[in-house]
Amino acid sequence: QVQLVQSGAEVKKPGASVKVSCKTSGYTFTVFYLHWVRQAPGQGLEWMGWIDPYSGGTNYAQKFQGRVIMTRDTSISTAYMDLSRLRSDDTALYYCARGRYGDTYAFDFWGQGTVVTVSS
Amino acid sequence: QSVLTQPPSASGTPGQRVTISCSGSSSNIGSNYVYWYQQLPGTAPKLLIYMNNQRPSGVPDRFSGSKSGTSASLAISGLQSEDEADYYCAAWDDSLNGVFGGGTKLTVL
Repeated sequence: QVQLVQSGAEVKKPGASVKVSCKTSGYTFTVFYLHWVRQAPGQGLEWMGWIDPYSGGTNYAQKFQGRVIMTRDTSISTAYMDLSRLRSDDTALYYCARGRYGDTYAFDFWGQGTVVTVSS
Repeated sequence: QSVLTQPPSASGTPGQRVTISCSGSSSNIGSNYVYWYQQLPGTAPKLLIYMNNQRPSGVPDRFSGSKSGTSASLAISGLQSEDEADYYCAAWDDSLNGVFGGGTKLTVL
């Protein structure tokens, strides 16, 4: 069965960087785009960008350009999201989500989420 | 402030039909597909509707989506207590950036 398992919670200081991993299983990693979506406490969903695991190509939301880098390691079917120059308003639950086959912008499987707390 | 506009709350009684609206613009809903997600408390979102009105396998046909111009709607018929959740609409803009609505909290009275 398809699974996306994310790394554990992180606590970071303002100005630091965080790297969240998303280990996938149950499907061919390189066939489906992976997206990153975040949710601040008590707030709605915010799309951050996607990575094409086959080519490594990426597309970031304008808001995060220059601060986010999405990468992947095809040998272990894992994607990564690296967010730098953290601020307190980056405190959120970060999800990875798989783009559905034939409609990559439909997120059909989600990771369990990774809590990132930014605090001095 | 979200790019897509949803009412913050909606409610209904068991068995009733409830509709949640989502308003966008010509650069997102007006020219691209709409998606709907259900988020139960403490869980990751779940895909309910894709390509405006398609249901993934396993989603009951009580859930239906529609789109007209720059607006979309999610309808839930035969409302059940387990439908109490947050609902989000989503779309893509012409720059291939994803946009979400602010979410609608559905209460089953």
